[in-house]
This record gives sequence, C-alpha cells and structure tokens, in this order.
Amino acid sequence: DSGVTQTPKHLITATGQRVTLRCSPRSGDLSVYWYQQSLDQGLQFLIQYYNGEERAKGNILERFSAQQFPDLHSELNLSSLELGDSALYFCASSVDKGGTNEKLFFGSGTQLSVL
Amino acid sequence: GQNIDQPTEMTATEGAIVQINCTYQTSGFNGLFWYQQHAGEAPTFLSYNVLDGLEEKGRFSSFLSRSKGYSYLLLKELQMKDSASYLCAVRGPGFQKLVFGTGTRLLVSP
Repeated sequence: DSGVTQTPKHLITATGQRVTLRCSPRSGDLSVYWYQQSLDQGLQFLIQYYNGEERAKGNILERFSAQQFPDLHSELNLSSLELGDSALYFCASSVDKGGTNEKLFFGSGTQLSVL
Repeated sequence: GQNIDQPTEMTATEGAIVQINCTYQTSGFNGLFWYQQHAGEAPTFLSYNVLDGLEEKGRFSSFLSRSKGYSYLLLKELQMKDSASYLCAVRGPGFQKLVFGTGTRLLVSP
C-alpha cells in the first residue's frame, strides 16, 4: 500500500458526460501528479500541483481540469467525455523538498470507461 | 523536451537473467527511475540512478551512463512473479515530475 488513495476504482459513463476523480496523497506529501495510461501507451503526465498551486502542465486537454485543496487532496475533472478518454488515471504524490532522488508514490488508479 | 525508448516486449525463462534497456534524450537531467507495474496495478518504485554506474538492490540492478543517455535494468534469478511491465522514467530540469517511457512488458515462462 503506497499510502495514496484514489476513488473511485472504476467509473463507467457515457460520451458527453462529466466525471470527477479524487486523490488523497500520502501524509506529508505536498505534491500531487496526475497521469493517464491508455492501452499500449505509457504513463502520460497531465498536471502537477504543489501545496495548492499548479506547478507543471503536461499534455492535458482543455476539457480536463484539476485542483488541489487546502487539505492537499486533489480532484481531476474530465468533461465532455469522448470514447478516447477511456483509460487508467493515476494519481501520484511526493514530498517534493527539491531532492532529485524523491520518488513518486502511485495510487491504485481509477479505470474510466466511456461508452 | 524528453524522449525515452524501451523495447516493447521481452521474454525470459524462470531462473535466468534479463537486461531491459532504456535510452533517453533530455534537455536537462536530474535522475532516472525504474518502476515495476503489474497489469492493472499501480507502478511501484524499483531503483534510482543519478550518477554513472551500477546500483544493486538484491536481485535487481540498474546502470546509468549519462554521456550515452542510456540505462538498463538487470533482473537476476527470474521468478514468475517478475512478469510485469518495467517503466523507465527520467526527471528533467525544474520540477519533480517524471516522464515515462512506454514500458517493457516482460514475460517469464517456466
């Protein structure tokens, strides 16, 4: 158990809908990262938050947004869903004190299926 | 930006040794990580290299050559449970995000 909690584990929805994925980082970790993993694709970095502020942005679509709350949990909002958004969405956290050796701890992921 | 290449798939036999290669190109380098991911599960950390050379951790070792933009993960005494994807990831300049390769799927057979 990495200590990173993601809910829900599975989500089935229809095209055009909007969903929210939730992540609680490990106790003491200030950074939260969102990654998308589609079949036959690697982990694609979406966005990073540090202590409530957006810190880095990857290939995140405009239909997607995220935020990190004062208690450090984070939510990823996906709207106007398309079939191609079906993927495993991972949240990861790290303490992020600036050390290059800091590893990311991953949650168990949310499997999103858009039908 | 960053570009990371790994073989898509490898097969090996239980008890054998396998080497999974990773080549990368990055505008700045702050370390290379290897993660293991079983199908449908979260990636878990295996190893970290930031200086050239070999890091050994039990049955797993990882090597880095920064001048060549090259790393490998060596798995010894393979077990069936080692069947998984192995992800190479690079930390570039600036913030702490990791950029992952597409992963190498390793199948260990009896």
